[in-house]
Amino acid sequence: SYELTQPPSVSVAPGQTATITCGGNNIGSLSVHWYQQKPGQAPVLVVCDDSDRPSGIPERFSGSNSGNTATLTISRVEAGDEADYYCQVWDSSSYVFGPGTKVTVL
Amino acid sequence: QITLKESGPALVKPTQTLTLTCTFSGFTLIPSGVAVGWFRQPPGKALEWLALIYWDDNVRYSPSLKTRITIAKDTSKNQVVLTMTHMDPVDTGTYYCAHRTVYKSSFDYWGQGTLVTVSS
Repeated sequence: SYELTQPPSVSVAPGQTATITCGGNNIGSLSVHWYQQKPGQAPVLVVCDDSDRPSGIPERFSGSNSGNTATLTISRVEAGDEADYYCQVWDSSSYVFGPGTKVTVL
Repeated sequence: QITLKESGPALVKPTQTLTLTCTFSGFTLIPSGVAVGWFRQPPGKALEWLALIYWDDNVRYSPSLKTRITIAKDTSKNQVVLTMTHMDPVDTGTYYCAHRTVYKSSFDYWGQGTLVTVSS
């Protein structure tokens, strides 16, 4: 089965840029989606199809995908961005999630 | 406005069968491309996909759980039902249903989730 890797945690100061990676074998050939999940809440789709933002998601959230790594970038980080972030793909037989990255705003 | 809400027992005993219902509004499971999925999340752990049902009754199951789970829809009631047999304490977690983005592989609307504890 297809596996995704993510760093367990990322720390960033307010106003700075957070970069979260999602690794997978030739992940650049798949569509990658990113979800934000705050404690006790359901996931929220923040980036779909590698780099598209759903309606209502700030432009500060952006994504890219190439080779073996997809990246979610959060610019001008705010305290409200503190959450777990999960990448997700469809590998032609399963919807696969990464292990998640906890973003801490210092 | 699309909304989904999960319902079912909060506590089940080991070996029992779990039945969860996802009741949704703001869309129907009739137009082509529409699908609803079920997911779970053990406490403190990552999201896991369980099953998906399409508008045309096609279904997809997680390979690791396909012998234990069934997904079905009731279009007249705007509901999707998940059953999971032989429940075990490791199945404890929050169960979510979600609307799949039409003709995409992302999930754009999620229910609030329902916590299921498996314990004797």
